[in-house]
Amino acid sequence: KNQVEQSPQSLIILEGKNCTLQCNYTVSPFSNLRWYKQDTGRGPVSLTIMTFSENTKSNGRYTATLDADTKQSSLHITASQLSDSASYICVVVDNYGQNFVFGPGTRLSVLP
Amino acid sequence: NAGVTQTPKFRVLKTGQSMTLLCAQDMNHEYMYWYRQDPGMGLRLIHYSVGEGTTAKGEVPDGYNVSRLKKQNFLLGLESAAPSQTSVYFCASSWTAMDTEAFFGQGTRLTVV
Repeated sequence: KNQVEQSPQSLIILEGKNCTLQCNYTVSPFSNLRWYKQDTGRGPVSLTIMTFSENTKSNGRYTATLDADTKQSSLHITASQLSDSASYICVVVDNYGQNFVFGPGTRLSVLP
Repeated sequence: NAGVTQTPKFRVLKTGQSMTLLCAQDMNHEYMYWYRQDPGMGLRLIHYSVGEGTTAKGEVPDGYNVSRLKKQNFLLGLESAAPSQTSVYFCASSWTAMDTEAFFGQGTRLTVV
């Protein structure tokens, strides 16, 4: 069964610190992997999209990595800000395109 | 630059009532999707459309119907609401299915009592 798992379930860090969120997947065949940020009460917003051939991709202070061999991805947030408090969702798209498999998300809280 | 707009944002229904959620996008996207988001779970696909006049079932289609009469609109209908349909509903749209960004609406919080 196609699944996406994320860890940790929730994370609390102090402003200015770095953190890394993890995503493991079993989706096959693989097309691309996406990270979304979802603020409370809002819809998800895309951070990065990575295809099979991409190992790393950055979007400002967000850097995503992908290891397609081990089916793992991570999202690293540098110099966290209060506005980074949100849920971060890992999504894996299969090679047929219609199947977006969403992870349950990691809830990040950044405290002053 | 509205993007994806969902109407309404909140709604409370009694069991057995019907309602329609409207999703409108102004980006000329071919693909549109309806998802539900429940606590502790990832978004799950209800129905999707690959173009005007087309619809297809997703992972959890039971109890819902959809229509895509115009390219910019995707309607989600609940004919007889049940408490199990209490959820937050998100609409999304994209140019293609696979490798382009999907844009999400702000969500509709539906409570069925």
